[in-house]
Amino acid sequence: TQLLEQSPQFLSIQEGENLTVYCNSSSVFSSLQWYRQEPGEGPVLLVTVVTGGEVKKLKRLTFQFGDARKDSSLHITAAQPGDTGLYLCAGADFYGGSQGNLIFGKGTKLSVKP
Amino acid sequence: EAQVTQNPRYLITVTGKKLTVTCSQNMNHEYMSWYRQDPGLGLRQIYYSMNVEVTDKGDVPEGYKVSRKEKRNFPLILESPSPNQTSLYFCASSQLTVYKNIQYFGAGTRLSVL
Repeated sequence: TQLLEQSPQFLSIQEGENLTVYCNSSSVFSSLQWYRQEPGEGPVLLVTVVTGGEVKKLKRLTFQFGDARKDSSLHITAAQPGDTGLYLCAGADFYGGSQGNLIFGKGTKLSVKP
Repeated sequence: EAQVTQNPRYLITVTGKKLTVTCSQNMNHEYMSWYRQDPGLGLRQIYYSMNVEVTDKGDVPEGYKVSRKEKRNFPLILESPSPNQTSLYFCASSQLTVYKNIQYFGAGTRLSVL
């Protein structure tokens, strides 16, 4: 069974601080996605990474896919209250597993205080 | 507007009373999926469908049924709901591409089984 471990589970920081969220697995994934979910809503895709070692930037958010495609990180620079939410990583395995089976981590609940 | 629509948004029912949660997407996506989200357990896939008349079990299919008679609709059926099916349910759709399964989520259905 493939698992994605996210850490930390909870993170409470002050506005302006930097933070990193980690997503780790012992399995190789074809691609890894990061979603953000706000209360009362469904998750919304932030980014997809496909190539080992890939780095993508989305304004103050930087996403990295590990060289071996087993792990990923999300780094937020100068966090703002609007970044508050639940961050989820999700892995797709198009090789060994089923193409339709998307595995989600349990999420990191981020709170950014003004 | 591209969207995934779930109904109802909130539902309170009693043990054993059959219910259906509807899901409809207007993006002509081939892939659709159902998840449940529980505190401490994250998002877990119930069933998914790669195309019309093609459905597969996810990680937690027990107690649920689905059907995919047409591309846009993917209802979730609970034949005999039990209290352990109290949860927040999400429907998602995706246009699968090579290595990617980028999912668009509905707003969620909060179900309570008494």
